[in-house]
Amino acid sequence: EVQLLESGGDLVQPGESQRLSCAASGFTFSDYAMSWVRQAPGKGLEWVSTISGTGKTSYYPDSLKGRFTISRDNSKNTLYLQMNNLRGGDTAIYYCAKHRSLANFGSWGPGVLVTVSP
Amino acid sequence: SFALAQPPSVSVAPGQTATITCGGDKIGTKSVHWYQQKPGEAPVLVVFDDSARPSGIPERYSGANAANTATLTISRVDAGDEADYFCQVWDSDGDHWFFGGGTKLTVL
Repeated sequence: EVQLLESGGDLVQPGESQRLSCAASGFTFSDYAMSWVRQAPGKGLEWVSTISGTGKTSYYPDSLKGRFTISRDNSKNTLYLQMNNLRGGDTAIYYCAKHRSLANFGSWGPGVLVTVSP
Repeated sequence: SFALAQPPSVSVAPGQTATITCGGDKIGTKSVHWYQQKPGEAPVLVVFDDSARPSGIPERYSGANAANTATLTISRVDAGDEADYFCQVWDSDGDHWFFGGGTKLTVL
């Protein structure tokens, strides 16, 4: 059974940095692309970043490129999201997702809340 | 960017059929995926590649995609289907993933 568990959510000040982690189990981690998707309170889903199974290739929306960095440690079955210069608009639940195919997100973690506020 | 338009809400009586649309320019040329999200829970993939169902998803859930509109259809709706539903596409040219704004399905 696929299991994904995010951690690292917290209340942070604007301008600060935060790193999220996602521990994966129940599948061969390195075989799958992984992503982060976020959801602001009461809002819809927003794609944040994707990384290939090898970790060699990563993708970002233009709006987040340069501030957020996705990475993975296949020896630890763990996905990461480094978030820098955080803003109020980054307040959201952040979900870790395993791709079913590169086109879609087959399994999701329960999510972790990041709150950016003075 | 690829904009996906969903109606904010759809209401249906129990036992009836719910239809949720997802509009986009020539969306019929892309594969569309649908997610169900119940309050306080993570999204769940219910339809992928326009009309395929992951294991464990009831046959009552079906999808179609043509021209400028993709559709998620839920037949014989019951209270357990009440949730937010999001459509999603992958733009393989730019390697970006896009979500629709979501539709809240209310079972009357």
